[in-house]
Amino acid sequence: AQKVTQAQTEISVVEKEDVTLDCVYETRDTTYYLFWYKQPPSGELVFLIRRNSFDEQNEISGRYSWNFQKSTSSFNFTITASQVVDSAVYFCALSEAFGNEKLTFGTGTRLTIIP
Amino acid sequence: NAGVTQTPKFQVLKTGQSMTLQCAQDMNHEYMSWYRQDPGMGLRLIHYSVGAGITDQGEVPNGYNVSRSTTEDFPLRLLSAAPSQTSVYFCASSPVSGGSYEQYFGPGTRLTVT
Repeated sequence: AQKVTQAQTEISVVEKEDVTLDCVYETRDTTYYLFWYKQPPSGELVFLIRRNSFDEQNEISGRYSWNFQKSTSSFNFTITASQVVDSAVYFCALSEAFGNEKLTFGTGTRLTIIP
Repeated sequence: NAGVTQTPKFQVLKTGQSMTLQCAQDMNHEYMSWYRQDPGMGLRLIHYSVGAGITDQGEVPNGYNVSRSTTEDFPLRLLSAAPSQTSVYFCASSPVSGGSYEQYFGPGTRLTVT
């Protein structure tokens, strides 16, 4: 069975600090996909990134970066120079290779950026 | 494009009542799904469909029915509402392929069962 663990329930940092959100996953599949979604206070779910299990390159998009390590089954998300607009709940998710039906979410990390 | 739309945005039901949450997408996506979001539990898959006429159960299907008669619509029916079904419900859609695409989520329906 698939499982995604986000051990950090809530994190608060002062604006402009860097922050890393942890995500650890479990799967028996050799091919799988990992995702991060953002849920701002307005409630919608915003897609941030998808990574397949064959691509272990780290990715950077502006102030966001992701570190995928198969050896530790982790897919961590770092926000550099945090801003108040980054305040949200962040979800890590995992899906099997062929089809989206088994998208498994972690319980989320609530990030608060203090001005 | 409207993307994924859900109606209603808010609903209050009494225990035992039935209702249908509506979901529609205009992106011609084959795959659609329903999730519920509860505090501290993330999102959990209720039912999903890989195309018109094909549906299957997710992690928490009990108390819910779905059908998929068209590509665009995927309604979720609560047969006899219970307080345990108080939750925020999200519908999502994505194309189907050999890989796993991002799922496009609707704005959610907040349901309260009293």
